[in-house]
Amino acid sequence: AQSVTQLDSQVPVFEEAPVELRCNYSSSVSVYLFWYVQYPNQGLQLLLKYLSGSTLVESINGFEAEFNKSQTSFHLRKPSVHISDTAEYFCAVSDQGGSEKLVFGKGTKLTVNP
Amino acid sequence: DAGITQSPRHKVTETGTPVTLRCHQTENHRYMYWYRQDPGHGLRLIHYSYGVKDTDKGEVSDGYSVSRSKTEDFLLTLESATSSQTSVYFCAISQRVGEEFTYGYTFGSGTRLTVV
Repeated sequence: AQSVTQLDSQVPVFEEAPVELRCNYSSSVSVYLFWYVQYPNQGLQLLLKYLSGSTLVESINGFEAEFNKSQTSFHLRKPSVHISDTAEYFCAVSDQGGSEKLVFGKGTKLTVNP
Repeated sequence: DAGITQSPRHKVTETGTPVTLRCHQTENHRYMYWYRQDPGHGLRLIHYSYGVKDTDKGEVSDGYSVSRSKTEDFLLTLESATSSQTSVYFCAISQRVGEEFTYGYTFGSGTRLTVV
């Protein structure tokens, strides 16, 4: 069975500062990894995913995440955040070739202050 | 994106009453899921379906049942609602290219259920 740990429940930052949201996972099999974003009073949207290939994946709005197999991590980073990035971010893992069930972390609430 | 709608969007019900939430998709996706979201817990899987009449339990299935009599609809029933089932419920579908799972999930907009 898989599990996901998001090390920070809340991350406050100032606008234009860099941010890193940490995610570690546990699994006995190969996995797919995802970051989802949830804006207030909305559903979840896929931000980026790692399936295979390059360990560095990017989103269209400037976020990136790097898969580190030895450290079982998939941290999310952005070099300069905007007020509009304020949201809750969820890391998720799915085992390859299984039932495609996603196991989610508990979420990190990112608040970007002016 | 696949069309996925949940109904109702909001519901208040009394303890002990049965409640059914509906998830409807407009494409022919095989896998569908019900999650609940609670503060401090993230999203937890209740039940999922891998085809018509094929369902299985998730990690928090007690007190819930599901049915899938046709591909497009996945129903979640709270058999006798309790206050601990007050939550936001999300339906999701798993998108694939052929037999390969590549796209993660698409989520519905959620149902906010309050049990009083």
